[in-house]
Amino acid sequence: DAGVIQSPRHEVTEMGQEVTLRCKPISGHNSLFWYRQTMMRGLELLIYFNNNVPIDDSGMPEDRFSAKMPNASFSTLKIQPSEPRDSAVYFCASRPPSGGAEAFFGQGTRLTVV
Amino acid sequence: DQQVKQNSPSLSVQEGRISILNCDYTNSMFDYFLWYKKYPAEGPTFLISISSIKDKNEDGRFTVFLNKSAKHLSLHIVPSQPGDSAVYFCAPNYGGATNKLIFGTGTLLAVQP
Repeated sequence: DAGVIQSPRHEVTEMGQEVTLRCKPISGHNSLFWYRQTMMRGLELLIYFNNNVPIDDSGMPEDRFSAKMPNASFSTLKIQPSEPRDSAVYFCASRPPSGGAEAFFGQGTRLTVV
Repeated sequence: DQQVKQNSPSLSVQEGRISILNCDYTNSMFDYFLWYKKYPAEGPTFLISISSIKDKNEDGRFTVFLNKSAKHLSLHIVPSQPGDSAVYFCAPNYGGATNKLIFGTGTLLAVQP
């Protein structure tokens, strides 16, 4: 299994530009999480999908952030317009429908907004 | 609102000694408590977990203790090895229909040879 795949690994963009981060979860997993890692707040949960449906988006910081999961094998996190304070590492994780609470993480996307 | 707190941002331990990482939480709705380990430039990887109905779980050198009355859990690593040097995250999971996994701020463990 290839694991959770995120793209791109690194993204540098100018303030005001639209940024789209992509995630392919592990096949058969039905839960998908987007997290943001910062020094101050650790790993923040941004949004959580179950069976492609957004269950909890209370962690999405502002209306500039949006996430979609059009099917079980793909999700996007979009920031429009981007700001320097959005610079962080963004992680996607997926979880199978049964078993414990363990989620499996991708390698992350390091976003730098200049 | 910080529902999960790891009050020690960093910890330094000698190789062969015990490492103890702590985590405090405020919500009684968590059904599982997980620990993740993270190396630089990699995603977090699962280490060990404990159900809310238990007070101890052991896996090799790693043991997690849960004190529900104090809303506190700890991860013990014995003996510590240089390869254990990483950031450790405490990650409680909400049970029931919510079923979401949240994370603390992490503790950077450095094991000195």
